[in-house]
Amino acid sequence: KQEVTQIPAALSVPEGENLVLNCSFTDSAIYNLQWFRQDPGKGLTSLLLIQSSQREQTSGRLNASLDKSSGRSTLYIAASQPGDSATYLCAVRGGKLTFGQGTILTVHP
Amino acid sequence: DVKVTQSSRYLVKRTGEKVFLECVQDMDHENMFWYRQDPGLGLRLIYFSYDVKMKEKGDIPEGYSVSREKKERFSLILESASTNQTSMYLCASSGASGGSYEQYFGPGTRLTVT
Repeated sequence: KQEVTQIPAALSVPEGENLVLNCSFTDSAIYNLQWFRQDPGKGLTSLLLIQSSQREQTSGRLNASLDKSSGRSTLYIAASQPGDSATYLCAVRGGKLTFGQGTILTVHP
Repeated sequence: DVKVTQSSRYLVKRTGEKVFLECVQDMDHENMFWYRQDPGLGLRLIYFSYDVKMKEKGDIPEGYSVSREKKERFSLILESASTNQTSMYLCASSGASGGSYEQYFGPGTRLTVT
């Protein structure tokens, strides 16, 4: 059974810092990995999707990497802003999508 | 842009009522999903559908049923609502665009059963 773990559970940083969120998964037989953002009381917004054959994807200040063999992914956020404050979830797709518990990010001015 | 809409943002129902949650997507996606999200338990898959009139149980189907009569619409039904079904319900869809099957989520329905 696939298990997805996200570390840290919560992170608080000052504005402008570069930061890394971590995601690990137990079964490397995946089709892809997706990073989401969730604001309080809202749905999930897809940020990046990395196919199993890819090593990384970039969108603006976000960069996600995937090392399938070691079961790890990282989401790098450059020059963080208060508007980045949210919960970040990673999810891996094997037969279905399995989610981690999320990292709660707070960026303070 | 993919759009997934849900019929209600907030819903309050009484124990024993039959509850319908509706989800509509506008991207001709073949796959649709219903999740519930609870603090400390994360997102859990209730049911999914990969085609019209097709449905598959997820991890926690007990107490729920679904209906997919049209490709764009996927309904979640609580036959007799109970207080332990108080939760945030999230609908999602995905399609074979570029082979990615990226999932797109709706805004969620916060259901309270009293």
